[in-house]
Amino acid sequence: NAGVTQTPKFQVLKTGQSMTLQCAQDMNHEYMSWYRQDPGMGLRLIHYSVGAGITDQGEVPNGYNVSRSTTEDFPLRLLSAAPSQTSVYFCASSYTVFDQPQHFGDGTRLSIL
Amino acid sequence: KQEVTQIPAALSVPEGENLVLNCSFTDSAIYNLQWFRQDPGKGLTSLLLIQSSQREQTSGRLNASLDKSSGRSTLYIAASQPGDSATYLCAVGARGGAGSYQLTFGKGTKLSVIP
Repeated sequence: NAGVTQTPKFQVLKTGQSMTLQCAQDMNHEYMSWYRQDPGMGLRLIHYSVGAGITDQGEVPNGYNVSRSTTEDFPLRLLSAAPSQTSVYFCASSYTVFDQPQHFGDGTRLSIL
Repeated sequence: KQEVTQIPAALSVPEGENLVLNCSFTDSAIYNLQWFRQDPGKGLTSLLLIQSSQREQTSGRLNASLDKSSGRSTLYIAASQPGDSATYLCAVGARGGAGSYQLTFGKGTKLSVIP
């Protein structure tokens, strides 16, 4: 199993550009989520999904969209990139929500100029 | 709003020493607590998961305890090794807004084990 795979690993964007961060897992996990990690702020939840077709907002959802058309994939879209979205983005998954450890990808390092 | 605090922010110990990392949280209505390890430039690796009904979990040289009523958890590392050098993150799982499940993370303790 590959676990949780995030692509790309690095990306530089200009302000106003849009892009999609990809996340895929091959463990048949129902629960998937996106976090951003910023210095001095810790990890913060952006969006999450409890299964295909179901998504909801986390702590910092503004400027981001998600969709979950399959169990395996959970892409994160930046609609119009802003310098404040410069961060490291992590995708995580688990089989169930409440009693299983979260598996994390290696992250996408995103810089907005 | 749940807040998670980890003290100290950084810790340096000689190889072989036993050590304790601390985590505190403000709202005791939690489902579980997880300890993660993060190596530089890498994602998070789950070390131990303690359900709210449990008091401790052990894996090899690691032991995590949970005192939900006082809002505290500790991660005990026995006989530390240079390979244990990493940032250790504590995360509390609880209900978020609108019935969601949310992990709230502390800012981590950066551990350096000196050979």
